[in-house]
Amino acid sequence: QQQVKQSPQSLIVQKGGISIINCAYENTAFDYFPWYQQFPGKGPALLIAIRPDVSEKKEGRFTISFNKSAKQFSLHIMDSQPGDSATYFCAASSAYSGAGSYQLTFGKGTKLSVIP
Amino acid sequence: DSGVTQTPKHLITATGQRVTLRCSPRSGDLSVYWYQQSLDQGLQFLIHYYNGEERAKGNILERFSAQQFPDLHSELNLSSLELGDSALYFCASSSRQGWTGELFFGEGSRLTVL
Repeated sequence: QQQVKQSPQSLIVQKGGISIINCAYENTAFDYFPWYQQFPGKGPALLIAIRPDVSEKKEGRFTISFNKSAKQFSLHIMDSQPGDSATYFCAASSAYSGAGSYQLTFGKGTKLSVIP
Repeated sequence: DSGVTQTPKHLITATGQRVTLRCSPRSGDLSVYWYQQSLDQGLQFLIHYYNGEERAKGNILERFSAQQFPDLHSELNLSSLELGDSALYFCASSSRQGWTGELFFGEGSRLTVL
């Protein structure tokens, strides 16, 4: 059962455009929603994250929008640049069965290509 | 550089064989997570260790096992390998001060099973 659904699978955007990636989750116990960025040959790295008590968080050109009632969140990349070309993963976190383990459940990823 | 070290970076082996992947977490991090990344499944959580103890299991096959040693490094053992086990295997560690929500990933070990 995939608990975090991410779309689209791939995205091509012109330089200067807006990139939008969407995620939906099912588990209402999730309480932390990060986005990770992965460049080829590298491991994923935290880009930006949000908790469900706010509806939006902005860091530079990157914004997370969060809709708790719809159980959806999205990443917006403003003024997209070729250097933003990477794979983006949304994720969600909760405590695991009370065993003292926190873990991230990832979406399947979106490969973003920003063309000049 | 995340501070998480994984070896080997690349590994090619044959079906039926056994391999061991190694991970050194960031200095002082007590938690080690293993993830499998394949093209069609994204990042799949395998297992979590905290200070030497197994804390949670995800989609880990019975042919796979892991452990975390007293020096906090971890090893993922994959046995009776099948073609479908070909993937990137990531290790990640999390903050020594408790769960902040951030995982620090190594650069991965790419396993190819022929």
